[in-house]
Amino acid sequence: DTGVSQNPRHKITKRGQNVTFRCDPISEHNRLYWYRQTLGQGPEFLTYFQNEAQLEKSRLLSDRFSAERPKGSFSTLEIQRTEQGDSAMYLCASSFQPGLAASAGELFFGEGSRLTVL
Amino acid sequence: AQTVTQSQPEMSVQEAETVTLSCTYDTSESDYYLFWYKQPPSRQMILVIRQEAYKQQNATENRFSVNFQKAAKSFSLKISDSQLGDAAMYFCAYSPTGNQFYFGTGTSLTVIP
Repeated sequence: DTGVSQNPRHKITKRGQNVTFRCDPISEHNRLYWYRQTLGQGPEFLTYFQNEAQLEKSRLLSDRFSAERPKGSFSTLEIQRTEQGDSAMYLCASSFQPGLAASAGELFFGEGSRLTVL
Repeated sequence: AQTVTQSQPEMSVQEAETVTLSCTYDTSESDYYLFWYKQPPSRQMILVIRQEAYKQQNATENRFSVNFQKAAKSFSLKISDSQLGDAAMYFCAYSPTGNQFYFGTGTSLTVIP
């Protein structure tokens, strides 16, 4: 399967603990996005990478959240000192964005990592 | 602010019938992209159809078509000959530059056999 892979699929943690999610995008995709989705809501943008560069971060992304894509391949999303409000599905998506011209390539989503903070 | 509104939290359709899902968006841009994504239960989201704002012709993909009304900022999805496999959450999404994507709250579609 060459789709977007996310791990772990489910994570239950106690408030105050740190958690890390990993996303492996489709190999030839240069763009990687992180979204958060809560029940009854659509995905909310958190951040995105072009290759290894983090180009934009949402104001939703507090300083407890950090994302990396060290070699322009897989990405990690770490949440420090988790709070109950962090409970959500964390979605990763990737796409291929050719050149500098504005265009919107199709987003390919993973199945998500569900976080439950007790 | 750039927002996407889906005013129908739930919709149902009889198998083989046609259903239309509504979406409106708010933007001051003239060029942008619009999408419908489908999220089946416990499955990943997949692209259904895409529309570039500069194209006047409505996009069509097999049984799926859109009614894009740029002046009204409306982007509805029509599903013809509905099938059981069409049951899912449907999200309308807007992207001004291809960098950020803004999603609506979704419409849950039930297909009745």
